[in-house]
Amino acid sequence: GAVVSQHPSWVICKSGTSVKIECRSLDFQATTMFWYRQFPKQSLMLMATSNEGSKATYEQGVEKDKFLINHASLTLSTLTVTSAHPEDSSFYICSARDIAGVIYNEQFFGPGTRLTVL
Amino acid sequence: LAKTTQPISMDSYEGQEVNITCSHNNIATNDYITWYQQFPSQGPRFIIQGYKTKVTNEVASLFIPADRKSSTLSLPRVSLSDTAVYYCLVPARGRDDKIIFGKGTRLHILP
Repeated sequence: GAVVSQHPSWVICKSGTSVKIECRSLDFQATTMFWYRQFPKQSLMLMATSNEGSKATYEQGVEKDKFLINHASLTLSTLTVTSAHPEDSSFYICSARDIAGVIYNEQFFGPGTRLTVL
Repeated sequence: LAKTTQPISMDSYEGQEVNITCSHNNIATNDYITWYQQFPSQGPRFIIQGYKTKVTNEVASLFIPADRKSSTLSLPRVSLSDTAVYYCLVPARGRDDKIIFGKGTRLHILP
């Protein structure tokens, strides 16, 4: 149980195009999901908190118009990187918190999406 | 959010017990201590969580002294597959319960 999937697992796109990444909780409901970005040999950096049915909360320094987040249901959140540029190339990871979870604030992470912008 | 400090890297050998210590001097009364493991190009995976004293599961043990200003993750009889980055986290209540990752400890197991 408690599986989070991401799609696609990797994507290559041209500079200036937009890319959508999906994050799904497969066997539980998640009112809150989180989006992280990770550069090579670095730690995860929280980008935003995605709440079902409301606007996402972005961390300082993260452009909300560039990284569009939609959390339309209790099992799906999407991150759209708009007008992607090579510096947006990174490993994007989502996590979800089970609303019925027993362990305090346990978050389940997706496998990540490798984005390469040419 | 309580800041955590842990060693940047550690080396050990197969079959050894590995202890990774994390300091969290300004931990709040309500904070739990959670450890995650991350393999390259994968999302982090929950290992263990504790509030005080000792917690043990099938993967690891977590030791927390009475003052809770530090904690030690203990991995018994490690294998090559335990090579990963280990993160000590102290998420705070009331802030969307978001997790802020520190640098983690890069554990390298040698044959």
